[in-house]
Amino acid sequence: DTEVTQTPKHLVMGMTNKKSLKCEQHMGHRAMYWYKQKAKKPPELMFVYSYEKLSINESVPSRFSPECPNSSLLNLHLHALQPEDSALYLCASSQEGDPRETQYFGPGTRLLVL
Amino acid sequence: RKEVEQDPGPFNVPEGATVAFNCTYSNSASQSFFWYRQDCRKEPKLLMSVYSSGNEDGRFTAQLNRASQYISLLIRDSKLSDSATYLCVVRPGAGNMLTFGGGTRLMVKP
Repeated sequence: DTEVTQTPKHLVMGMTNKKSLKCEQHMGHRAMYWYKQKAKKPPELMFVYSYEKLSINESVPSRFSPECPNSSLLNLHLHALQPEDSALYLCASSQEGDPRETQYFGPGTRLLVL
Repeated sequence: RKEVEQDPGPFNVPEGATVAFNCTYSNSASQSFFWYRQDCRKEPKLLMSVYSSGNEDGRFTAQLNRASQYISLLIRDSKLSDSATYLCVVRPGAGNMLTFGGGTRLMVKP
């Protein structure tokens, strides 16, 4: 079972709103990721959590705030976003420590900031 | 120079055709290699890993040339359902991070 789930599927928010994206996996993976993807571009890494600790932040603006409540859950809190933040937000997970293993993606949340 | 480079296409081919995609990577220490497929407005899905000896999965064959830092994907007997963007993905080191190519778009027509 390589399922990663994400909610909501779609989200429309104003620039003053606060919202959260949620991601869940039950594959026992200890690494989880947030990516942002714009149309006709590859996914762009935002954050990496390893064993529930933030290990990589790719210079993401503070209006994006990740949280890893436990080994199965990953949240992305959004506040005061800009229209250019509109994109597909993808969560992924992978095993830790095995270079042969790759990442498995959730279906994504399509975000529109008005 | 981009770390992982792919021809963006689109490749427009008829059903039943054989099509090949190429990818080059810049980091000679790269450890693992993958092809992902992404349908329009969907998430990337792992198509296959790429092994040094080359590997085949049904109509799909992947090859790796470490000396030339080159990866290929061959699709035989193309189906309409093969229409998608194919992402070449490289793990540059021992850590978790993956580097994505820009993707190659394939359109298979009746």
